[in-house]
Amino acid sequence: GAGVSQTPSNKVTEKGKYVELRCDPISGHTALYWYRQSLGQGPEFLIYFQGTGAADDSGLPNDRFFAVRPEGSVSTLKIQRTERGDSAVYLCASSPPGPAGELFFGEGSRLTVL
Amino acid sequence: AQSVTQLDSQVPVFEEAPVELRCNYSSSVSVYLFWYVQYPNQGLQLLLKYLSGSTLVKGINGFEAEFNKSQTSFHLRKPSVHISDTAEYFCAVSLSEKLVFGKGTKLTVNP
Repeated sequence: GAGVSQTPSNKVTEKGKYVELRCDPISGHTALYWYRQSLGQGPEFLIYFQGTGAADDSGLPNDRFFAVRPEGSVSTLKIQRTERGDSAVYLCASSPPGPAGELFFGEGSRLTVL
Repeated sequence: AQSVTQLDSQVPVFEEAPVELRCNYSSSVSVYLFWYVQYPNQGLQLLLKYLSGSTLVKGINGFEAEFNKSQTSFHLRKPSVHISDTAEYFCAVSLSEKLVFGKGTKLTVNP
C-alpha cells in the first residue's frame, strides 16, 4: 500500500513484558515520527528520525522506551518492562523532505498492558 | 515553548448548521499551523495547513481556517456540516521539525 503501515494493530501484553511496535513509512519519506495518544488526549510526541539517526528523542518518557531505524526506512519502537500506564495508541508518521512537511499518519498500534 | 489550546473538548451541532472549532497557540516565533481530522477507527489525516501568505486557508471537505496573528488563533470553520463530518479534530503547531498537538475537539453532527 501507499500509506504508513503499522503492526501490530492491537497488542495485549502483561505488565513487565517486552513489546516491539513496527512502522513502515511511505517510500521516499526521510523523516519518521512516533507519537503516543492516550484516551481523551492529543498525540504526544515521542521521537523523530531524520534518516537513520534520532534527531530528537526528547519525548521518550523514560529509558524503558527506545526506537531504532537502522536503514532509514522501517522503524521499531521498543518498550521494556511494560507498565499499565504505557497503555495507549502508538502512532507513527512520516513526511517527505522539505520544511514544515505534512505528516502522514498510520492507523496506530493499540497497546494494552494488563 | 509552544503549546496549543483547543477550547472545546466536545461540539455537538445539527446537520447543515455552521461550525467553528477554536484553536489558540502560544509561540514566540513565526509558526506553521495545521488542522488534522481523525475519523472513527482511522488514522489522522491533514485537513489544512498555514505556512505563510494568505491568512485564510482552505482545506478538504469544505473546511477553512483563518490565521490571526494578533489573537494567536487558528480557528477552523465550515458553513454547513454533514453527518460524515463527525470526527475528532486536532490543531497542531510546528516546533523544530515536529508537531505539537492540542487535546482535540470531538465534533458530533446530529440529524
